[in-house]
Amino acid sequence: DQQVKQNSPSLSVQEGRISILNCDYTNSMFDYFLWYKKYPAEGPTFLISISSIKDKNEDGRFTVFLNKSAKHLSLHIVPSQPGDSAVYFCAASARAGFQKLVFGTGTRLLVSP
Amino acid sequence: IAGITQAPTSQILAAGRRMTLRCTQDMRHNAMYWYRQDLGLGLRLIHYSNTAGTTGKGEVPDGYSVSRANTDDFPLTLASAVPSQTSVYFCASSDLEPSSPRETQYFGPGTRLLVL
Repeated sequence: DQQVKQNSPSLSVQEGRISILNCDYTNSMFDYFLWYKKYPAEGPTFLISISSIKDKNEDGRFTVFLNKSAKHLSLHIVPSQPGDSAVYFCAASARAGFQKLVFGTGTRLLVSP
Repeated sequence: IAGITQAPTSQILAAGRRMTLRCTQDMRHNAMYWYRQDLGLGLRLIHYSNTAGTTGKGEVPDGYSVSRANTDDFPLTLASAVPSQTSVYFCASSDLEPSSPRETQYFGPGTRLLVL
């Protein structure tokens, strides 16, 4: 049972436009969400996170939105740059009880010049 | 070194052989993790350790074992490799101090393993 789902395996966007990556989760106990970015032949790197007490968190070109009622979060990249081309993983955890991170399957973003 | 190192970078292994993937971190993080990444399945947790001397099972622990003799090292052992263990393996660490966001994990560069 996939608790964290990224239904789009890939996304193509033109440079300068907005990239929107989506993530859905099923476990209502999740209360902390993160996005990781992964380049080929490298390990994932932390990008941005959001606690369930918020519905938006912004860091430069990256904004994460959380809709708890829909159990949905999204990552917006504006404007998109070719260097943003990577695989993006959504992850979630339930902080109570010290639960571990659960990752989604990833979305490959390609930003073309 | 800075961060997490993994060795080897890649390995081709005959089925039935024993293999240990090495992981070392120099950030003095108390928690460490092993994940495998497979196409269409994302990152799945194999084993973890919240502190030196303790380990726990993740989502896919069968066929793997770990040890945590000290803070810095967290080796992953495949006792008798099978082709389904062909994957990319990532080691990660995080700081479990209350003041730190423990979910921010720092990953190594990965070990690409092919079991024939």
